[in-house]
Amino acid sequence: ETGVTQSPTHLIKTRGQQVTLRCSSQSGHNTVSWYQQALGQGPQFIFQYYREEENGRGNFPPRFSGLQFPNYSSELNVNALELDDSALYLCASSPTPPRLAGGEQFFGPGTRLTVL
Amino acid sequence: GQQVMQIPQYQHVQEGEDFTTYCNSSTTLSNIQWYKQRPGGHPVFLIQLVKSGEVKKQKRLTFQFGEAKKNSSLHITATQTTDVGTYFCAGGSNYQLIWGAGTKLIIKP
Repeated sequence: ETGVTQSPTHLIKTRGQQVTLRCSSQSGHNTVSWYQQALGQGPQFIFQYYREEENGRGNFPPRFSGLQFPNYSSELNVNALELDDSALYLCASSPTPPRLAGGEQFFGPGTRLTVL
Repeated sequence: GQQVMQIPQYQHVQEGEDFTTYCNSSTTLSNIQWYKQRPGGHPVFLIQLVKSGEVKKQKRLTFQFGEAKKNSSLHITATQTTDVGTYFCAGGSNYQLIWGAGTKLIIKP
């Protein structure tokens, strides 16, 4: 296993609600990235945090926000949920600083979010 | 925007046959990573290539990075049932990874 955990495993929400997803990385992994993976597609980069600061962001609206904490945990918050937000949300941690997007990423099992 | 195209979307093979997936980027990449995702699982890192023209092997898997650092391939020799899953390439560009859509390896019964 990767040592990266995510909670909850599954979640059902209704359109317009807000959700917080959590990730716990391995000790020493200062870089964490969040991805959205729709069914049958590759992961789409949401954003990355390094030492508690956002380091890069993909093409996602501001209602997707995040936090990283000193204890190697992080959160993904999504406001005003839309039906298209239904997906598997993956966090991935790395001991490598975000330099040219290199270095192995260790993925958690993901949170399956369903928006009704 | 930046894209990484991956083909084919699916590949059906008999056990023992070879499998290849290809990735092409619209821009020069700093590196390329390959991941495998089993059904119902999460991506698992396989390898990273950084140098132009680099070739790396892991047992039956051969990874290549093109001379222009815009394309890459993964070749599996003599597939086994344990190889089943979706193989993704992810190209490093501007401090983020751009992922291909994946190639699903299906072993014919």
